[in-house]
Amino acid sequence: GAGVSQTPSNKVTEKGKYVELRCDPISGHTALYWYRQSLGQGPEFLIYFQGTGAADDSGLPNDRFFAVRPEGSVSTLKIQRTERGDSAVYLCASSLTRQGSSYTFGSGTRLTVV
Amino acid sequence: TQLLEQSPQFLSIQEGENLTVYCNSSSVFSSLQWYRQEPGEGPVLLVTVVTGGEVKKLKRLTFQFGDARKDSSLHITAAQPGDTGLYLCAGHSGTYKYIFGTGTRLKVLA
Repeated sequence: GAGVSQTPSNKVTEKGKYVELRCDPISGHTALYWYRQSLGQGPEFLIYFQGTGAADDSGLPNDRFFAVRPEGSVSTLKIQRTERGDSAVYLCASSLTRQGSSYTFGSGTRLTVV
Repeated sequence: TQLLEQSPQFLSIQEGENLTVYCNSSSVFSSLQWYRQEPGEGPVLLVTVVTGGEVKKLKRLTFQFGDARKDSSLHITAAQPGDTGLYLCAGHSGTYKYIFGTGTRLKVLA
């Protein structure tokens, strides 16, 4: 596609529920990143995919968070047993090559856990 | 852990004024980027600087990378309401990910 697409744009869920956030990167971009952004703060790194594999998941806060990219294109970030502290904007970015390439960000998914 | 501190955190100025935003770290970066983010949108890349001392201009915006590649500044001349947004710096140290700064929220009043 022309840009990075994230769905849904907004998600409200109850504490304890499971959610999935989807990212559709720019066609041909092999690198895909997930970041989390709290209100008024800079994005914090969560996980990086090169192709289908998670090359670095060191930013995932705990084992309730998991992400997949089974075919090397679309990625899904999965959060189990959501907590109110998980509320944030989840940003996805993709880039053409691995090191030093410029990111193109999606508009993000605003997750609110009530 | 690499950290990028931005200052000021908030800035509210009148249209036509000049301003400078700073991005500082104790770590050396191989390149540094500046982004602007508007509400409900993802960050949009403004510029990438890679050489110590490098200066780049983008219309009324001037970006400088410190000689030691640990800091950077963004100067806006004659600010306009359309410049309003969250300005983010992001450092890259030769690996695959960028570390983002804490952000500067700019509001330009007409």
